[in-house]
Formats: sequence, C-alpha cells, structure tokens
Amino acid sequence: DAKTTQPTSMDCAEGRAANLPCNHSTISGNEYVYWYRQIHSQGPQYIIHGLKNNETNEMASLIITEDRKSSTLILPHATLRDTAVYYCIVRVFQAGTALIFGKGTTLSVSS
Amino acid sequence: EAQVTQNPRYLITVTGKKLTVTCSQNMNHEYMSWYRQDPGLGLRQIYYSMNVEVTDKGDVPEGYKVSRKEKRNFPLILESPSPNQTSLYFCASSWGTGVSTEAFFGQGTRLTVV
Repeated sequence: DAKTTQPTSMDCAEGRAANLPCNHSTISGNEYVYWYRQIHSQGPQYIIHGLKNNETNEMASLIITEDRKSSTLILPHATLRDTAVYYCIVRVFQAGTALIFGKGTTLSVSS
Repeated sequence: EAQVTQNPRYLITVTGKKLTVTCSQNMNHEYMSWYRQDPGLGLRQIYYSMNVEVTDKGDVPEGYKVSRKEKRNFPLILESPSPNQTSLYFCASSWGTGVSTEAFFGQGTRLTVV
C-alpha cells in the first residue's frame, strides 16, 4: 500500500468547515483513498472512500486531485463531536485486506 | 443494528494467566481481524480470518492465537500474557467479497498485564 502524509494536528471552529489534507504521491492506479476517524480511543469509524472522482456522503466530502497525488476530506459544518484522529489510508479496492493506519491528523473542534 | 461486539471492555490480568477476548459480529461478514493500538505505534494488525477455519498472521502475531469456528465469532487468545501485551485491542469485520469494503470496528478492549 502507498504511504500517506498528513499534518499532525489541526484546529477548527465549531460550525466552520474542516478541511483535512492528505498526500499520497506514490498512489497506484488501482488504489483507493479511504478515510477513517477514531474518537477518543473508540473503534475507528469509516467515513468515506474514493478513486478519482469527488465523493460525498452524509458525513463528509472527499476531494481528490486530478493527478490523485493528494486529497482533502471536508467536514462541512464541524461540531465538537467531530474532534477525533482522522486517518487517510490508500489501499486496493479488495475486500478482506488489512487497513494500514498511519499516525493520522488530530482534529480539535472548539466553540 | 449492525455491530461488532467485544468483551470484556477492560481487563487487568497477571503475567502467564491465559485469557480470551471475544469478538462477535452480526453482519454475516466473511473477513474479521484483530488490531492492537499502542501510543506512537498506531494500529497494527495481529491476525485476520478470511472465512470459517481460515486464519492468517498479520504484522504482530507473536504471543497471540485466534480461531474461527463460526462465521460470527473470532476470539483472540493470549496463552501466556506478558506485560508487553498491555494494549488497546480492536476487532474488525468486513465483507470478504463484493462492492463494499467498509470495515466495522468494535469498541475496544483495554488490556493491562501486570
């Protein structure tokens, strides 16, 4: 799996959009970008994934650059409950394979 | 409700006393796995199972055993726990085949070995 680089930490004001960047310059053509988050030592939670098109679901949006070397997870209206560690993971779209977690970005949302 | 259930949530034990952490999922997933999480090291996979009676080692299998006799259950066994196995453990499940590859995680088991 390709390696990802994320900022160690970010701050965001409640109600504002949180934009979390991820670099994955060595991503392969068959690798997807996945995002998970972990709230205070709870089990990681799936957020979203994509290949090359932008994706949106009820939790977030995922913007992938045209060259696929970086992406941004967007939480449109961050709340205090979005304070968590966010992990960007690249992996092949093959069910039943391990998730390789890096150090992630600690997002702190404050009022 | 789709969920992965681990038990116990917290456990303090002594070195050498065999223990089992249970994991059960209600989504009929083929793939199940165990991770441990340690400060500065992140989440690392211990063992995984592609289906009943099919298990394989992950990145840090030493000191652990698993079994998959039923599709829904995937217990983690520590035959002789040592202090370096003090950690936060997570069980996860997902489809082994098909479109969705989203992994569901349990709430975690915090194990302390003294």
